[in-house]
Amino acid sequence: QVQLVESGGGVVQPGRSLRLSCVASGFSITTYGVHWVRQAPGKGLEWVAMIYFDGSSKFYADSVKGRFTVSKDDSKNTVYLQMNSLRVEDTAMYYCAKDEDSLEYWGQGTQVTVSS
Amino acid sequence: EIVLTQSPGTLSLSPGERASLSCRASQSIARHNLVWYQQRPGQSPRLLIYGASTRATGVPDRFSGSGSGTDFTLIISRLEPEDFAVYFCQHHGTSPPITSPPITFGQGTRLDIK
Repeated sequence: QVQLVESGGGVVQPGRSLRLSCVASGFSITTYGVHWVRQAPGKGLEWVAMIYFDGSSKFYADSVKGRFTVSKDDSKNTVYLQMNSLRVEDTAMYYCAKDEDSLEYWGQGTQVTVSS
Repeated sequence: EIVLTQSPGTLSLSPGERASLSCRASQSIARHNLVWYQQRPGQSPRLLIYGASTRATGVPDRFSGSGSGTDFTLIISRLEPEDFAVYFCQHHGTSPPITSPPITFGQGTRLDIK
């Protein structure tokens, strides 16, 4: 069955970096794109980034453009989110989700806290 | 960018009552790109409705979606205790022509027990 498992979250100081991982199983990331979506405490859902199934296209929210980079390792069926120059407002639960005609499958999320 | 505005922000109802949640788009969108999710506290979002009106696998038939153009609605016909949660609508524009950004969410409607 389809499963996505995020990891790599933690507490980090403003300006530092963190890399999140999303390990997919039950489907191939060479066939489906993957999104990153975040949710600040008590807030709504905010789309962050997407990588196409073939890696040919990557999309970013304006709020993270130039600071975050999405990439993937097909051999590990894993998608990454490299987060640089982190800000307090990046504090959130970060989810990865499989792209189809909706986001039917989500991971359980990994918490990122940016605090001095 | 397609902006989705959900109303009301909070809806207080009793079990057994009917809930009507609205999602209004800043411009006309294709029905097949409108999606609804449910999120319970401490859980990941759960897909409810895609293509504006198609229930996802395992979603009870008391949930229904409708609408077109800029106005979409999620109806829960008879509220069960487990339905009290937050509901998000989403524009899913990842198929060509890809929108920028490819995905946007409404701000959510919280459904509370009265």
